[in-house]
Amino acid sequence: GEDVEQSLFLSVREGDSSVINCTYTDSSSTYLYWYKQEPGAGLQLLTYIFSNMDMKQDQRLTVLLNKKDKHLSLRIADTQTGDSAIYFCAERDSSASKIIFGSGTRLSIRP
Amino acid sequence: GAVVSQHPSRVICKSGTSVKIECRSLDFQATTMFWYRQFPKQSLMLMATSNEGSKATYEQGVEKDKFLINHASLTLSTLTVTSAHPEDSSFYICSASGTLVRGGVSDTQYFGPGTRLTVL
Repeated sequence: GEDVEQSLFLSVREGDSSVINCTYTDSSSTYLYWYKQEPGAGLQLLTYIFSNMDMKQDQRLTVLLNKKDKHLSLRIADTQTGDSAIYFCAERDSSASKIIFGSGTRLSIRP
Repeated sequence: GAVVSQHPSRVICKSGTSVKIECRSLDFQATTMFWYRQFPKQSLMLMATSNEGSKATYEQGVEKDKFLINHASLTLSTLTVTSAHPEDSSFYICSASGTLVRGGVSDTQYFGPGTRLTVL
């Protein structure tokens, strides 16, 4: 079945860029998403990319998609303390409306 | 656009009681709603998918008689945990997707803030 994988932890210095990586298995995914979850809260849709795009930029966020390698990344420029959260990569099941989530990457910021 | 609310945000109940959690889409019509469960420091586990006016589709291993889902309107879905036990304690999150989401993306899931259920 479909699978989405991410590393569990990432620590970056405040002001540096954060890059969170994700791999997926479903080659027919239509949408790929990045969600942010702060402690005790639900998920906030940060950004998404269509599967026919290579890159999408939205303010401090840059999403890169390598469809050949089934690799998705999220780059956060000028990382701030407010960016501390768990970031979930997700892909939309091509046959239905289900979303398959990765395990989440916990981003921590050090001064 | 695309705001989803959940109520209550937190509930503590005694073992054996039933608990109802509401999920509402506030500014769009949610043709599909999803219910997830999240254990501490883990990802979301999809429990069921519900389309307005029809029976929910449960994921494998999820007891439909234990977790009753009703999606009676395009803005409201409810999850009832029947005869709750301590092992049902968890963070329950709903999401909703629909068409013509103003300021949002059609068919994308927008999440509620979650409900923390603690069963004593």
